[in-house]
Parts: sequence; structure tokens; C-alpha cells
Amino acid sequence: QKEVEQNSGPLSVPEGAIASLNCTYSDRVSQSFFWYRQYSGKSPELIMSIYSNGDKEDGRFTAQLNKASQYVSLLIRDSQPSDSATYLCAVRKAGNNRKLIWGLGTSLAVNP
Amino acid sequence: ETGVTQTPRHLVMGMTNKKSLKCEQHLGHNAMYWYKQSAKKPLELMFVYNFKEQTENNSVPSRFSPECPNSSHLFLHLHTLQPEDSALYLCASSQDLSGTYNEQFFGPGTRLTVL
Repeated sequence: QKEVEQNSGPLSVPEGAIASLNCTYSDRVSQSFFWYRQYSGKSPELIMSIYSNGDKEDGRFTAQLNKASQYVSLLIRDSQPSDSATYLCAVRKAGNNRKLIWGLGTSLAVNP
Repeated sequence: ETGVTQTPRHLVMGMTNKKSLKCEQHLGHNAMYWYKQSAKKPLELMFVYNFKEQTENNSVPSRFSPECPNSSHLFLHLHTLQPEDSALYLCASSQDLSGTYNEQFFGPGTRLTVL
């Protein structure tokens, strides 16, 4: 089992729809969770970070964390073609080894 | 300059060449990272520096040699690379290594091709 798993996609949604991206992780004591957006040929850009169970909203983006079920999701409302990118999920472990563990990413295509 | 900058943005080198990648962060952070990103693989952490001290070497071959002269600058010295080292090399920084948050911010990357 991979430490951080994401559906590789591509996830295709029409413009204006809600895009739902999911990420599961294996280490139950993970404490911090991050979503990055990466356009083709560019570097990852931090979109959201979440540390507590529940929802966190920032503009059109909502991150949802469920530690009991070990998943974190990213919802993008009113999806735009400019949201078309790969979305990377990263999880920070607790303890002395606090490096980020990365998923492979989900490719999102928003169709006009 | 703002954020995290990297030079060069593109690099083509032969297997016998020696080159260096440079990273500079303008965020007042104390931790800096080198990552390798290859197709179909998750981001691979290579090295971590915190307050100029190396805290992690993720079993990286010795043909990659990092240098961190101060908290704002990070170098990756390359020599006798192999074609499989061709990848996007990303530099990142964060406030430090402590705390729950500690978000990492990335530079634009160096696209390296080894012939």
C-alpha cells in the first residue's frame, strides 16, 4: 500500500461544475495535510493546508479532512478551465521524521 | 525578487560535466529542500537543511552534492551524472522544521537533461 494514494485521473468536469479530488494516507498519526496545484511544466503551488478534522474553505476551494477514515479531499467549486492542472496531495508525518510524503497527483481537466 | 528563485531554468549536460544549480529564497525562511521530480513518480526528497545544517540526506548518490552557505541560499553541485538523473529539480523553503504548519514553497525548478 502506498503511503499517500491519489486517483491519477484524468478527472474531467465541465466548466462551472464542482471538482472533487481525493487522497488517502496510510499513517494514522499523520498530522498535517497539503494540497498543491501543478501546471504542466511548472512547479507545485500551495493551495490549501489543513490540520484539523472538518472543512476549511478558501474562496472556491474547500479542503476536507477525516482523520478517522484517513482521507483528505479538495473540492473546487465553479471549476474554470484555468483550474486544469495536476493536484498533488502531501502528508506530514508526526514525530522526528517530519518530511512530507507525496502522492502521484490527480490530473484535472475542466472543459469549456 | 520574491519567493523562491532557481537558476538555471534549463540545463543540458554531458555525463562528464560538472555543473551547479542555485536556489535563493526571499521569504525569511530557515529550512531549504532539494526535491527531484520524475515522470510517473512522486516527488522525491533529496536533501534538507535547517539553519544551514543538513538534517536529511535521503540516500542520494554522491554525484549530487548539496551546499548551504546561509539560510537564503542552497546549491546542488552535479558531477558525472547519468541519463536517469534527467528530471525536474525543485528547491523549496519553509519557516523551519518545527511546528504543525511549516508550509513549503517551491521555486520554478531546473529542468535537467543528461546526455
